[in-house]
Amino acid sequence: EVQLVESGGDLVQPGGSLRLSCAASGFTFSSFYMTWVRQAPGKGLEWVATIKEDGGEKYYVDSVKGRFTISRDNAKNSLYLQMNSLRAEDTAIYYCARHIDLWGRGTLVTVTS
Amino acid sequence: EIVLTQSPDFQSVTPKEKVTITCRASQSIGSSLHWYQQKPGQSPKLLIKYSSQSISGVPSRFSGSGSGTDFTLTINSLEAEDAAAYFCHQTGSLPRTFGQGTKLEIK
Repeated sequence: EVQLVESGGDLVQPGGSLRLSCAASGFTFSSFYMTWVRQAPGKGLEWVATIKEDGGEKYYVDSVKGRFTISRDNAKNSLYLQMNSLRAEDTAIYYCARHIDLWGRGTLVTVTS
Repeated sequence: EIVLTQSPDFQSVTPKEKVTITCRASQSIGSSLHWYQQKPGQSPKLLIKYSSQSISGVPSRFSGSGSGTDFTLTINSLEAEDAAAYFCHQTGSLPRTFGQGTKLEIK
């Protein structure tokens, strides 16, 4: 089955760190750009980061530059998002997406003291 | 940053009605505009890619058009199951951005 499954979401204090993972299956993971998108509770969608097929190029929204790092392991069919210096405004469901067409169910990150 | 502005923000419609949602980009993005449907508690589902390309498994009542800065999602003969939020998304320029969303309520 073609799917993406996120994990790693948790409750964390401001200034803390978290690493999200996304396991891909049912397709050739190494052939696709991969993206993280987030959605704050009751709000719209916000693009967070994208990584090229070979991991050679990475792109970020300004609000996470220097704090978040997107990476991938094509041998493990996995996408990651390392999140450091977390802020309350990073609270959201984080979705993993294959380019534009396939999304996971998301994982909830809550940043609160 | 390219700002995508959707209209309307909210619409209450009756079944079988035709619905049009527009998405206006602050700069030209060619045809790199995609439409998603999101129901409560679910992840977004791709309806239309690259302005007008249909997606396998998506009902034919959903169609898209436009290029440059003005885009339209049309739902012909609305069904009750179409109650959802709809988002446009551009991949023509970094940072990628989304419209604010349009919530469709079925009367």
